[in-house]
Amino acid sequence: KAGVTQTPRYLIKTRGQQVTLSCSPISGHRSVSWYQQTPGQGLQFLFEYFSETQRNKGNFPGRFSGRQFSNSRSEMNVSTLELGDSALYLCASSLGTVNFDEQYFGPGTRLTVT
Amino acid sequence: DAKTTQPPSMDCAEGRAANLPCNHSTISGNEYVYWYRQIHSQGPQYIIHGLKNNETNEMASLIITEDRKSSTLILPHATLRDTAVYYCIVRGFTMTTDSWGKFQFGAGTQVVVTP
Repeated sequence: KAGVTQTPRYLIKTRGQQVTLSCSPISGHRSVSWYQQTPGQGLQFLFEYFSETQRNKGNFPGRFSGRQFSNSRSEMNVSTLELGDSALYLCASSLGTVNFDEQYFGPGTRLTVT
Repeated sequence: DAKTTQPPSMDCAEGRAANLPCNHSTISGNEYVYWYRQIHSQGPQYIIHGLKNNETNEMASLIITEDRKSSTLILPHATLRDTAVYYCIVRGFTMTTDSWGKFQFGAGTQVVVTP
């Protein structure tokens, strides 16, 4: 079956703009998590959505937000971009059930803020 | 969720077994040990996970000590394609919130497999 897809794969924005990234999970997966990866901070958890509800949240400012649609697709939005938001943004999907929660990651969206 | 400690790097000769240690001394009873790896600039890839019993799949074996305070990931016959950063993560399910805890990735172990 198809893996996790993320669009776009690469993006260049300028400071102050906003950006929306998209993630399509594996069919049947109801949980989508987002991560930010930078050379300095490594892989950091942003938030998790399950059945259209935010279930977990990391320590990021309110400029970072997300949502999940009824088909489990998820979007992540960053407003008022800063240079430090340049990173690889990864999403991961999973069944999200108590018995099994193996996460499958997408290839990521490389965001560059200039 | 418990934190983990891994060595920052290790080398392994191609064809030999690679044994990657992980300490998780504050792990609680309902927390699983997960291993992921990330090949440069790709998304992390699931390898294996376990609760208290040793586990094996087509990629690797996971050995968890009896007190569950540490574990070892074993790649039985390392190949050049196994060069990656390997992450050990512990995570449990919280019944009160009906959800899994966050995946907290540390710095991981950079494994370099040499010919």
